[in-house]
Amino acid sequence: AQSVTQLGSHVSVSEGALVLLRCNYSSSVPPYLFWYVQYPNQGLQLLLKYTTGATLVKGINGFEAEFKKSETSFHLTKPSAHMSDAAEYFCAVSENDMRFGAGTRLTVKP
Amino acid sequence: DGGITQSPKYLFRKEGQNVTLSCEQNLNHDAMYWYRQDPGQGLRLIYYSQIVNDFQKGDIAEGYSVSREKKESFPLTVTSAQKNPTAFYLCASSLRDPSSGNTIYFGEGSWLTVV
Repeated sequence: AQSVTQLGSHVSVSEGALVLLRCNYSSSVPPYLFWYVQYPNQGLQLLLKYTTGATLVKGINGFEAEFKKSETSFHLTKPSAHMSDAAEYFCAVSENDMRFGAGTRLTVKP
Repeated sequence: DGGITQSPKYLFRKEGQNVTLSCEQNLNHDAMYWYRQDPGQGLRLIYYSQIVNDFQKGDIAEGYSVSREKKESFPLTVTSAQKNPTAFYLCASSLRDPSSGNTIYFGEGSWLTVV
């Protein structure tokens, strides 16, 4: 059965610094992987997804993620954090259904 | 505009009462889902439906019920049997089931509080 582990429930960075949010997955078949963002009191919005093909996936708001099969990872990065990036981020994997990680809350300091 | 509409946004329930959360989508999606979100626990699947008049239990279905009489609608009833219903509830939909890599789209959520 598929599952997702997000390392670090809370990440804090300074504005302009690199953002790195970690996600590791387990799946018995080649996975479909997703990153979602959630702002307070709102639903989840898709940032990017990996299905097949290029392992470096670019998403909205300058985020990207790289699928590394050998490391079973799908870490989310952004070169330069902006205050508006402060939110909760969820990694998800789909096999028979979609499974979400516990989430990582990103704080951006001025 | 296309999307998923959840109502109400905020709902208060007295002990022992059943309440129903509405979810409507106009995306022509076949599959619909209900998730529960508690702080620090991510999203947990309550029920999902891949076709009209059919639905399956998720990981935490006890104390909840659903119906899927129309493609566009997937209401969730939180019954008095649910011992700890205070949470944020998210409805979602996708074109097909996620096994094909289909994206799940979410509504804005509903807050349920037991008073």
